[in-house]
Amino acid sequence: DADVTQTPRNRITKTGKRIMLECSQTKGHDRMYWYRQDPGLGLRLIYYSFDVKDINKGEISDGYSVSRQAQAKFSLSLESAIPNQTALYFCATSDPGQLQPQHFGDGTRLSIL
Amino acid sequence: KNEVEQSPQNLTAQEGEFITINCSYSVGISALHWLQQHPGGGIVSLFMLSSGKKKHGRLIATINIQEKHSSLHITASHPRDSAVYICAVRDFGNEKLTFGTGTRLTIIP
Repeated sequence: DADVTQTPRNRITKTGKRIMLECSQTKGHDRMYWYRQDPGLGLRLIYYSFDVKDINKGEISDGYSVSRQAQAKFSLSLESAIPNQTALYFCATSDPGQLQPQHFGDGTRLSIL
Repeated sequence: KNEVEQSPQNLTAQEGEFITINCSYSVGISALHWLQQHPGGGIVSLFMLSSGKKKHGRLIATINIQEKHSSLHITASHPRDSAVYICAVRDFGNEKLTFGTGTRLTIIP
């Protein structure tokens, strides 16, 4: 089983719908992150959380919200999806520390029509 | 904000060739992360380094802190190495990463 699991893997939906992407991890990491990846751009940070009671905005948080339900679960919501939110979304986890790598899920490919 | 540039953007090589992918950044960092993105989209961590050199199998990563530059080398390249290789840097006092746009590597049998 994957250490960082994202669901769904693929989703096609319509403009205006509410969407939730879920991430769960078995690595026991405190830090969790949500990124989006667009063609030709590097991964960009949407939100991150350093523990269950901690939520922080990343560089592109507008139009998104998150929930850290437990140490192992971090969900990303699009309250009212728009076509320019079509992208590949990744969840990642890490231990604290400058030399700790981030561990990524397999991604969720989201298309908004 | 750190600016991360990778070169080349695309690289095609024959099986067995020695591969070098470069990453440069604009501001001093505490660590640099090399990642591999498979054709199916999944991302795997390859190396995290702050100085010197690391080796894992046929992959070698080096970093020159003074020149703000890192290289990822692949020896005896194989078609299964075909992927996008991503460099990401971590600024001092900040656990967030800034990512490059990736190098797409294709190894032809």
